Amino acid sequence: DIQMTQSPSSLSASVGDRVTITCRASRGISNYLNWYQHKPGKAPKLLIYAASSLQSGVPSRFSGGGSGTDFTLTISSLQPEDFATYHCQQSYSTFYTFGQGTKLEIK
Amino acid sequence: QVQLQESGPGLVKPSETLSLTCTVSGGSVTSDYWSWIRQPPGKGLEWIGYMSYSGNTNPNPSLMSRLTISVDTSKNQFSLKLSSVTTADTAVYYCARTVVTYNEYYYYYMDVWGKGTTVTVSS
Repeated sequence: DIQMTQSPSSLSASVGDRVTITCRASRGISNYLNWYQHKPGKAPKLLIYAASSLQSGVPSRFSGGGSGTDFTLTISSLQPEDFATYHCQQSYSTFYTFGQGTKLEIK
Repeated sequence: QVQLQESGPGLVKPSETLSLTCTVSGGSVTSDYWSWIRQPPGKGLEWIGYMSYSGNTNPNPSLMSRLTISVDTSKNQFSLKLSSVTTADTAVYYCARTVVTYNEYYYYYMDVWGKGTTVTVSS
């Protein structure tokens, strides 16, 4: 299995802050990395695919980067609707795996 | 716009078979791939597997011996069956559409998800 490790596990921030979440793969996965946003009771939402491609309809304040084993999701200026849990997922291996999630909370 | 809705029993007894259905609206199960993902209480997401209507399957190796995913084109639904369940199978179960994009390489990602359904395994 390819293990995906996110850091931090939780994060407190304020509206307007710039926030970066990190995802590390246990071995190289090129750019086969996706990011999802999940709010309680809602369907998870695709934000970024192929490490840096913004899904249609997702605000441009979200951006993704990285390749190989280290990846980032950055929110340039937090909005109230961005407080949620974020998950990374690799699709390099046919056995897809997710990170444990990063919960972004209001400070 | 494609929407997905999970349905099925919320309570399953140990050793029995968990059965869930995902109804697709605004799109057709005859295209793309159709996935199941779950989230046990207090844990991260776990990918269960996907299937295409043509029979192309990709199951989680750790669940493969207990898992059946099927697609019903007549009802525009796809289904999950997980046999011999234990309390470890208690989770919120999500269905999702998996799409493939080509940009020098093939990239797979889940672009539409259902809201999830809670399944508890308990006697």
